[in-house]
Amino acid sequence: DIQMTQSPSSLSASVGDRVTITCRASQRISSYLNWYQQKLGKAPKLLIYAATRLQSGVPSRFSGSGSGTDFTLTISSLQPEDFATYYCQQSYISPLTFGGGTQVEIK
Amino acid sequence: QVQLVQSGAELKEPGASVTISCKTSGYTFTNYYIHWVRQAPGQGLEWMGTVNPSAATTSYAQKFQDRVTMTSDTSTSTVYMALSSLRSEDTAFYFCTRRAVFSLMPYFDYWGQGTLVTVSS
Repeated sequence: DIQMTQSPSSLSASVGDRVTITCRASQRISSYLNWYQQKLGKAPKLLIYAATRLQSGVPSRFSGSGSGTDFTLTISSLQPEDFATYYCQQSYISPLTFGGGTQVEIK
Repeated sequence: QVQLVQSGAELKEPGASVTISCKTSGYTFTNYYIHWVRQAPGQGLEWMGTVNPSAATTSYAQKFQDRVTMTSDTSTSTVYMALSSLRSEDTAFYFCTRRAVFSLMPYFDYWGQGTLVTVSS
């Protein structure tokens, strides 16, 4: 199985900060990498697919980069509604696997 | 609008089975695979498997291979996930989610609201 490792596991940031979350795959997955946001008690929400493509309706402050094994989710200017947990997920090969999550908290 | 609506919370004893439904609407049912993902309280996301509603074919994570069955009913656009031999470690939220059959870069764009299954004696 492909292991997905996210870092950090949690971070504290202020409104307006630039936030970067990284995700590393245990083997090359091309651009088969998606990012989801999950708020407490809710289902995950798709933010970025195919490593860099912004899902319709998602604010442009979210962006994704990377290919192969190393990927990044960036929030250019953190907003109050962005405090949540973020997960990466590889869709290259079954079993589909998720990273352990990054909890973004208010500083 | 696209909707995936799941059945309500379940309380089961160890060793029992549970079946969760995921009723879909707002899109062509057979154009999307339905996947199941679970999340234990305070934990991360775990993929369980998928069903292709048009072909009624399935693919399961090895961890659940012996205990899970996913089926689809095209007449009601509903997918079912049954998990047997429940143990306390199966206590979790279970989510259904969809992925386009013809997508070259697979992703989950719509999700059900989640169903809490609690396994306790």
